[in-house]
Amino acid sequence: QVQLQESGPGLVKPSETLSLTCAVSGAYMTNYYWNWIRQPPGGGLEWIGYIYNGGTTNYNVSLRSRVAISVDTSKNQFSLMLSSVTAADTAVYFCARRAPSRAPFDTWGQGTLVSVSS
Amino acid sequence: SYVMTQPPSVSVAPGQTAKIMCGGNNIGIKSVQWYQQKPGQAPVLVVYDDSDRPSGIPERFSGSNSGNTATLTISRVEVGDEADYYCQVWDSTTDHYVFGPGTKVTVL
Repeated sequence: QVQLQESGPGLVKPSETLSLTCAVSGAYMTNYYWNWIRQPPGGGLEWIGYIYNGGTTNYNVSLRSRVAISVDTSKNQFSLMLSSVTAADTAVYFCARRAPSRAPFDTWGQGTLVSVSS
Repeated sequence: SYVMTQPPSVSVAPGQTAKIMCGGNNIGIKSVQWYQQKPGQAPVLVVYDDSDRPSGIPERFSGSNSGNTATLTISRVEVGDEADYYCQVWDSTTDHYVFGPGTKVTVL
């Protein structure tokens, strides 16, 4: 059974960089799309981006200038970095898996709340 | 970018049928996914590719998609179905994954 688990600081200062990791268990990382999705308090879901097969990335155009997703297949994990954060980046951040061919997000982590505040 | 609309809320009595609409320009030609999210939990896929159900999802959950509207139907609604429901598609013009704003289903 595939499981995803997010980890990282729960509090980040404005203008700094948010950094999260998603540990993947029960599955190899090849041939799947590994995504980050966020949800502000009381709000809806926003897709942030994905990494595929260790190198191909695609980011939401609204965040493209500030976001980077990387993968460490030796540790079976992938990471999110979001720079120059503001209070608007306060959200629950989820990692999620998707199979190729525009399949749905079939497995999600439990989510981790990141607050941006001084 | 592709925009979808959903009613903010739907109320339904136990045992009745809930229909949750997801509107979008020519959404009928896209593949629509539906996710259920209960408070404090991650979303769970309940319908994919318009009308297919993942294993473990009750047959009470069904989906359809035509024209400018996709619909998630929950038959014989139970108290445990109370949740937020999000539709989701892939926007081919941007290669982005887009979610609808969500609908809160309240079981009276």
